Amino acid sequence: AQSVAQPEDQVNVAEGNPLTVKCTYSVSGNPYLFWYVQYPNRGLQFLLKYITGDNLVKGSYGFEAEFNKSQTSFHLKKPSALVSDSALYFCAVSRTGFQKLVFGTGTRLLVSP
Amino acid sequence: DTGVSQDPRHKITKRGQNVTFRCDPISEHNRLYWYRQTLGQGPEFLTYFQNEAQLEKSRLLSDRFSAERPKGSFSTLEIQRTEQGDSAMYLCASSATGDAFFGQGTRLTVV
Repeated sequence: AQSVAQPEDQVNVAEGNPLTVKCTYSVSGNPYLFWYVQYPNRGLQFLLKYITGDNLVKGSYGFEAEFNKSQTSFHLKKPSALVSDSALYFCAVSRTGFQKLVFGTGTRLLVSP
Repeated sequence: DTGVSQDPRHKITKRGQNVTFRCDPISEHNRLYWYRQTLGQGPEFLTYFQNEAQLEKSRLLSDRFSAERPKGSFSTLEIQRTEQGDSAMYLCASSATGDAFFGQGTRLTVV
Protein backbone atom coordinates (compact mmCIF):
# COMPACT_ATOMS: atom_id res chain seq x y z
CA ALA A 1 0.00 0.00 0.00
CA GLN A 2 1.21 3.49 -0.71
CA SER A 3 1.80 6.10 1.97
CA VAL A 4 3.10 9.63 2.38
CA ALA A 5 4.85 11.23 5.33
CA GLN A 6 5.09 14.95 5.93
CA PRO A 7 7.32 15.12 8.99
CA GLU A 8 6.71 18.78 9.81
CA ASP A 9 3.36 19.97 11.07
CA GLN A 10 4.43 23.56 10.51
CA VAL A 11 7.17 25.43 8.69
CA ASN A 12 7.95 29.04 9.51
CA VAL A 13 9.92 31.22 7.13
CA ALA A 14 10.48 34.92 6.66
CA GLU A 15 9.28 36.60 3.50
CA GLY A 16 11.97 36.62 0.85
CA ASN A 17 13.75 33.57 2.25
CA PRO A 18 13.77 30.19 0.52
CA LEU A 19 11.32 27.60 1.77
CA THR A 20 11.26 23.80 1.80
CA VAL A 21 8.34 21.59 2.75
CA LYS A 22 9.36 17.97 3.16
CA CYS A 23 7.65 14.85 1.86
CA THR A 24 8.67 11.21 1.75
CA TYR A 25 6.66 8.45 0.14
CA SER A 26 6.29 4.70 -0.06
CA VAL A 27 4.78 2.99 -3.08
CA SER A 28 5.38 -0.14 -5.09
CA GLY A 29 6.58 0.60 -8.57
CA ASN A 30 7.13 4.03 -10.01
CA PRO A 31 5.38 6.77 -8.09
CA TYR A 32 3.17 9.53 -9.34
CA LEU A 33 3.74 12.41 -6.91
CA PHE A 34 1.72 15.56 -6.38
CA TRP A 35 1.66 18.71 -4.31
CA TYR A 36 -1.56 20.54 -3.48
CA VAL A 37 -2.20 23.72 -1.50
CA GLN A 38 -5.27 24.45 0.59
CA TYR A 39 -6.35 27.89 1.74
CA PRO A 40 -8.86 28.29 4.60
CA ASN A 41 -12.35 27.03 3.73
CA ARG A 42 -11.24 26.21 0.22
CA GLY A 43 -10.67 23.04 -1.73
CA LEU A 44 -7.27 21.81 -2.78
CA GLN A 45 -5.43 23.55 -5.58
CA PHE A 46 -3.01 21.60 -7.75
CA LEU A 47 0.57 22.92 -7.64
CA LEU A 48 2.69 20.39 -9.50
CA LYS A 49 3.29 16.73 -10.24
CA TYR A 50 6.07 14.31 -11.02
CA ILE A 51 5.46 11.34 -13.30
CA THR A 52 8.71 10.75 -15.09
CA GLY A 53 11.62 12.64 -16.56
CA ASP A 54 13.51 15.53 -15.01
CA ASN A 55 13.79 15.20 -11.25
CA LEU A 56 13.15 18.92 -10.79
CA VAL A 57 9.54 19.77 -11.49
CA LYS A 58 8.31 23.32 -11.84
CA GLY A 59 4.77 24.24 -10.93
CA SER A 60 2.39 27.07 -10.21
CA TYR A 61 3.16 30.27 -8.28
CA GLY A 62 6.94 29.78 -8.51
CA PHE A 63 6.97 26.48 -6.64
CA GLU A 64 9.14 23.56 -7.63
CA ALA A 65 9.76 20.10 -6.26
CA GLU A 66 12.69 17.74 -6.42
CA PHE A 67 12.15 14.02 -6.86
CA ASN A 68 14.82 11.86 -5.21
CA LYS A 69 14.29 8.18 -5.85
CA SER A 70 17.05 6.93 -3.56
CA GLN A 71 15.68 8.91 -0.62
CA THR A 72 12.03 8.39 -1.68
CA SER A 73 11.48 12.10 -1.22
CA PHE A 74 9.61 14.80 -3.07
CA HIS A 75 10.32 18.06 -1.25
CA LEU A 76 8.50 21.24 -2.24
CA LYS A 77 10.65 24.34 -2.64
CA LYS A 78 10.42 27.99 -3.49
CA PRO A 79 13.40 30.34 -3.82
CA SER A 80 11.70 33.35 -2.25
CA ALA A 81 8.65 33.02 -0.01
CA LEU A 82 5.70 35.40 -0.06
CA VAL A 83 3.31 36.12 2.81
CA SER A 84 0.52 34.99 0.48
CA ASP A 85 2.12 31.53 0.33
CA SER A 86 0.92 30.92 3.89
CA ALA A 87 -1.41 27.93 3.62
CA LEU A 88 -1.69 24.20 4.19
CA TYR A 89 0.35 22.06 1.81
CA PHE A 90 -0.34 18.43 1.03
CA CYS A 91 1.88 15.90 -0.66
CA ALA A 92 0.17 12.97 -2.36
CA VAL A 93 1.16 9.77 -4.13
CA SER A 94 -0.58 7.51 -6.60
CA ARG A 95 0.43 4.21 -8.18
CA THR A 96 -0.77 5.42 -11.52
CA GLY A 97 -1.88 8.76 -12.83
CA PHE A 98 -5.54 7.89 -12.53
CA GLN A 99 -5.95 5.96 -9.35
CA LYS A 100 -6.73 7.36 -5.95
CA LEU A 101 -4.40 9.81 -4.31
CA VAL A 102 -2.99 9.00 -0.89
CA PHE A 103 -2.30 12.21 0.99
CA GLY A 104 0.04 13.13 3.79
CA THR A 105 -1.26 14.86 6.89
CA GLY A 106 -0.28 18.26 5.59
CA THR A 107 2.24 20.94 6.55
CA ARG A 108 1.16 24.41 7.53
CA LEU A 109 3.43 27.05 6.02
CA LEU A 110 3.59 30.40 7.78
CA VAL A 111 5.45 33.18 6.02
CA SER A 112 6.09 36.19 8.20
CA PRO A 113 6.49 39.71 6.80
CA ASP B 1 -17.21 28.91 -13.47
CA THR B 2 -15.74 25.86 -15.19
CA GLY B 3 -14.25 24.24 -12.10
CA VAL B 4 -15.57 21.41 -9.96
CA SER B 5 -18.75 22.50 -8.24
CA GLN B 6 -20.09 21.06 -5.00
CA ASP B 7 -23.45 21.66 -3.40
CA PRO B 8 -24.21 22.50 -0.67
CA ARG B 9 -21.11 24.18 0.73
CA HIS B 10 -22.27 23.64 4.28
CA LYS B 11 -24.73 21.22 5.83
CA ILE B 12 -25.79 20.92 9.44
CA THR B 13 -27.91 17.90 10.23
CA LYS B 14 -29.18 16.06 13.25
CA ARG B 15 -27.80 12.68 14.09
CA GLY B 16 -29.79 9.96 12.40
CA GLN B 17 -30.88 12.05 9.42
CA ASN B 18 -29.92 11.32 5.83
CA VAL B 19 -27.92 13.79 3.76
CA THR B 20 -27.03 13.97 0.08
CA PHE B 21 -24.26 15.96 -1.54
CA ARG B 22 -23.83 16.75 -5.20
CA CYS B 23 -20.70 17.16 -7.29
CA ASP B 24 -20.55 18.55 -10.81
CA PRO B 25 -17.15 17.77 -12.34
CA ILE B 26 -15.31 19.72 -14.96
CA SER B 27 -17.00 19.13 -18.28
CA GLU B 28 -15.67 16.09 -20.14
CA HIS B 29 -13.69 14.80 -17.16
CA ASN B 30 -14.48 11.10 -17.14
CA ARG B 31 -13.02 10.36 -13.72
CA LEU B 32 -14.64 11.53 -10.50
CA TYR B 33 -13.40 10.99 -6.96
CA TRP B 34 -14.83 11.52 -3.49
CA TYR B 35 -12.59 12.18 -0.50
CA ARG B 36 -13.25 12.97 3.15
CA GLN B 37 -11.11 15.34 5.17
CA THR B 38 -11.28 15.69 8.93
CA LEU B 39 -9.62 18.43 10.93
CA GLY B 40 -5.86 18.13 10.99
CA GLN B 41 -5.77 15.33 8.47
CA GLY B 42 -5.18 14.99 4.79
CA PRO B 43 -8.02 13.96 2.50
CA GLU B 44 -8.89 10.26 2.60
CA PHE B 45 -10.13 8.45 -0.47
CA LEU B 46 -13.71 7.24 -0.42
CA THR B 47 -14.64 6.18 -3.94
CA TYR B 48 -13.88 6.65 -7.62
CA PHE B 49 -15.90 6.59 -10.83
CA GLN B 50 -14.82 6.27 -14.40
CA ASN B 51 -17.76 7.54 -16.39
CA GLU B 52 -20.77 5.93 -14.66
CA ALA B 53 -18.89 2.91 -13.34
CA GLN B 54 -17.85 2.90 -9.69
CA LEU B 55 -14.43 1.27 -9.89
CA GLU B 56 -13.16 1.42 -6.34
CA LYS B 57 -14.57 1.93 -2.86
CA SER B 58 -12.61 2.47 0.31
CA ARG B 59 -13.22 0.47 3.45
CA LEU B 60 -14.08 3.88 4.93
CA LEU B 61 -17.25 3.77 2.87
CA SER B 62 -19.54 1.93 5.25
CA ASP B 63 -22.94 0.53 4.33
CA ARG B 64 -24.44 3.89 5.29
CA PHE B 65 -22.60 5.59 2.44
CA SER B 66 -23.59 5.32 -1.19
CA ALA B 67 -22.36 7.17 -4.24
CA GLU B 68 -23.76 7.32 -7.72
CA ARG B 69 -22.87 8.83 -11.06
CA PRO B 70 -25.86 7.79 -13.12
CA LYS B 71 -25.09 9.43 -16.44
CA GLY B 72 -21.36 9.76 -16.13
CA SER B 73 -21.65 13.47 -15.40
CA PHE B 74 -22.60 14.72 -11.92
CA SER B 75 -22.31 12.51 -8.85
CA THR B 76 -24.14 12.26 -5.55
CA LEU B 77 -22.88 11.02 -2.21
CA GLU B 78 -25.54 9.98 0.29
CA ILE B 79 -25.00 9.29 3.96
CA GLN B 80 -27.82 7.51 5.74
CA ARG B 81 -28.42 7.65 9.47
CA THR B 82 -25.69 10.18 10.03
CA GLU B 83 -23.43 9.88 13.06
CA GLN B 84 -21.32 12.54 14.75
CA GLY B 85 -18.22 10.84 13.39
CA ASP B 86 -19.41 11.67 9.88
CA SER B 87 -18.69 15.34 10.52
CA ALA B 88 -16.02 16.27 8.00
CA MET B 89 -15.32 18.09 4.77
CA TYR B 90 -16.38 16.01 1.77
CA LEU B 91 -14.30 16.80 -1.29
CA CYS B 92 -15.00 15.91 -4.89
CA ALA B 93 -12.37 15.89 -7.61
CA SER B 94 -12.43 15.20 -11.33
CA SER B 95 -9.74 14.24 -13.78
CA ALA B 96 -9.20 13.61 -17.44
CA THR B 97 -5.45 13.35 -17.84
CA GLY B 98 -4.42 12.38 -14.34
CA ASP B 99 -4.33 15.84 -12.73
CA ALA B 100 -7.16 15.83 -10.20
CA PHE B 101 -8.98 19.13 -9.75
CA PHE B 102 -10.87 19.57 -6.51
CA GLY B 103 -14.05 21.37 -5.65
CA GLN B 104 -14.36 23.57 -2.60
CA GLY B 105 -15.99 20.82 -0.61
CA THR B 106 -19.13 20.31 1.44
CA ARG B 107 -18.64 20.76 5.16
CA LEU B 108 -20.94 18.44 7.10
CA THR B 109 -21.67 18.99 10.75
CA VAL B 110 -23.70 16.35 12.55
CA VAL B 111 -25.22 17.58 15.82
